[in-house]
Amino acid sequence: GALVYQYPRRTICKSGTSMRMECQAVGFQATSVAWYRQSPQKTFELIALSTVNSAIKYEQNFTQEKFPISHPNLSFSSMTVLNAYLEDRGLYLCGARRGEAETLYFGSGTRLTVL
Amino acid sequence: QQKVQQSPESLSVPEGGMASLNCTSSDRNFQYFWWYRQHSGEGPKALMSIFSDGDKKEGRFTAHLNKASLHVSLHIRDSQPSDSALYFCAAIYSNNRIFFGDGTQLVVKP
Repeated sequence: GALVYQYPRRTICKSGTSMRMECQAVGFQATSVAWYRQSPQKTFELIALSTVNSAIKYEQNFTQEKFPISHPNLSFSSMTVLNAYLEDRGLYLCGARRGEAETLYFGSGTRLTVL
Repeated sequence: QQKVQQSPESLSVPEGGMASLNCTSSDRNFQYFWWYRQHSGEGPKALMSIFSDGDKKEGRFTAHLNKASLHVSLHIRDSQPSDSALYFCAAIYSNNRIFFGDGTQLVVKP
């Protein structure tokens, strides 16, 4: 079956420091990967969408300078939160699709706490 | 801007009852709607999709889509305590972006 693994499950960092999170699709080749942040209030924000053969597209309020993403192949994506502050805390979810008609398969997320 | 409005924010139904959740897209250029369910400590998992007008039934779950009004609903009949979770609708737009509603916290009381 299609699985998405995210690592680490949770992380704590000091304000102003950076942390990297990883996402791996297992059992399928992801044609696109979307990164979301789920707030403590449970709402989703789309950070960026990475599609095969296209540049990574960031949503308003999210920039490559703050959330650089690396998507070297169809199975692996990583995102870094640079210079993290309180407003960056939340559950970062990676969703991978294996085709346009397919759903997003999500990992369990990386929970970021900023002290 | 593409956005999905979801209601209600929370819903409590007795065991065996019917739960109804609703979503409306702000943009008619959607391709599909998906319904997701999220349990605490996990990522959301897809329940079912719908892209044609009308009803789509999968077991106790029925999705209904009205493209003209940009509205989708999910109905859970014979609700069980194990159905208690956070439910999200998601709209997949023609530009490949996927936006989620703000979620409905469903509680099914035994």
